[in-house]
Amino acid sequence: NAGVTQTPKFQVLKTGQSMTLQCAQDMNHNSMYWYRQDPGMGLRLIYYSASEGTTDKGEVPNGYNVSRLNKREFSLRLESAAPSQTSVYFCASSQDRGRFPNTEAFFGQGTRLTVV
Amino acid sequence: AQSVTQLGSHVSVSEGALVLLRCNYSSSVPPYLFWYVQYPNQGLQLLLKYTSAATLVKGINGFEAEFKKSETSFHLTKPSAHMSDAAEYFCAVTRGGSYIPTFGRGTSLIVHP
Repeated sequence: NAGVTQTPKFQVLKTGQSMTLQCAQDMNHNSMYWYRQDPGMGLRLIYYSASEGTTDKGEVPNGYNVSRLNKREFSLRLESAAPSQTSVYFCASSQDRGRFPNTEAFFGQGTRLTVV
Repeated sequence: AQSVTQLGSHVSVSEGALVLLRCNYSSSVPPYLFWYVQYPNQGLQLLLKYTSAATLVKGINGFEAEFKKSETSFHLTKPSAHMSDAAEYFCAVTRGGSYIPTFGRGTSLIVHP
């Protein structure tokens, strides 16, 4: 049972480069999320997708774009990386919160991104 | 808007001592509350969640949390700390409407031998 799978696990980028972080879940969840984790800041929501075909901005969306490719996959793209985007990125998924508001989120292992 | 505040970015205890990690929430309606644990270089995993069926919630690894509406708190406790409990702990609340999880800033639990 893979759960939520993120690739890559580690990445170093130069300022201005672009990249896409991949995320896939095999739990048939409708909702998917991208968070970034920074020391002392906890997890902050970048974007989320309540269901296939929909995406919405979270708390810190600037500099990022997302694609909900299908029900399983939700990718995060950095078009022009900046040092401020150095962080650990987590993808998560959950059941339909509208129907199951008390359901928990399931997390991937994270992608450690450094922008130099 | 719903949010959570975790008091203390670091908590240090001796092995065998009581663990108490504090979480207070702000919400105008009864919230859905969670505690997650993150071990080094791993993702978050659920410890326990408040379901409104009982104010005292038991989770994995001997942890429990008590929902106190009068104090707007959901503190996490464990009677006796183990070295393997050393990790980052996050309190979370779901946000009204879309019910998206909002996380506290985390508390790092350090366990001394």
